[in-house]
Amino acid sequence: EPEVTQTPSHQVTQMGQEVILRCVPISNHLYFYWYRQILGQKVEFLVSFYNNEISEKSEIFDDQFSVERPDGSNFTLKIRSTKLEDSAMYFCASRDALVIGYTFGSGTRLTVV
Amino acid sequence: TQLLEQSPQFLSIQEGENLTVYCNSSSVFSSLQWYRQEPGEGPVLLVTVVTGGEVKKLKRLTFQFGDARKDSSLHITAAQPGDTGLYLCAVGRGSNTGKLIFGQGTTLQVKP
Repeated sequence: EPEVTQTPSHQVTQMGQEVILRCVPISNHLYFYWYRQILGQKVEFLVSFYNNEISEKSEIFDDQFSVERPDGSNFTLKIRSTKLEDSAMYFCASRDALVIGYTFGSGTRLTVV
Repeated sequence: TQLLEQSPQFLSIQEGENLTVYCNSSSVFSSLQWYRQEPGEGPVLLVTVVTGGEVKKLKRLTFQFGDARKDSSLHITAAQPGDTGLYLCAVGRGSNTGKLIFGQGTTLQVKP
């Protein structure tokens, strides 16, 4: 079964530091996403990426956030200057053009101290 | 106001019991998905329902999409401890992106 792989599984960072969360989507998928889930809350959409550009972003995805697909296999989420409230599970997901359902990765737990 | 309201929020039952969880909205959707999420893991797709009135079965799980495509239910027959988890319904929004909007989920605990 193809998987979406996320690294690291857990990242602890100091407030104000930059973090990069990494994802390897399923190889023949075309649409890529980042979601986050604050402890005890809903899974929330952050950003979608298609054809090497952002196709939609939520109001959460402000100027501190950026995404990149640098080499055709990795898909990264960068948070430039982390805040305490950025602490959450961050999930990468991908899907192909025909299937409605997504495949999610296991997530990166980001803790900002 | 939440786009998707899931109920109950929390359910604790004994092994072997049956249960139904609900996902309701006032909006009409072209499709709806159910996911199961275990602690520390990402959501795993269980099923996508597309047609109003559609019923899909996945072993002991039965999913139904309402006739008006505004709501859905998940019924589990003879629940087992392995069914424990967070059950999420989700709908696609955004014509080009297909971003998902999730409900808040139903946490199911099945005690042996």
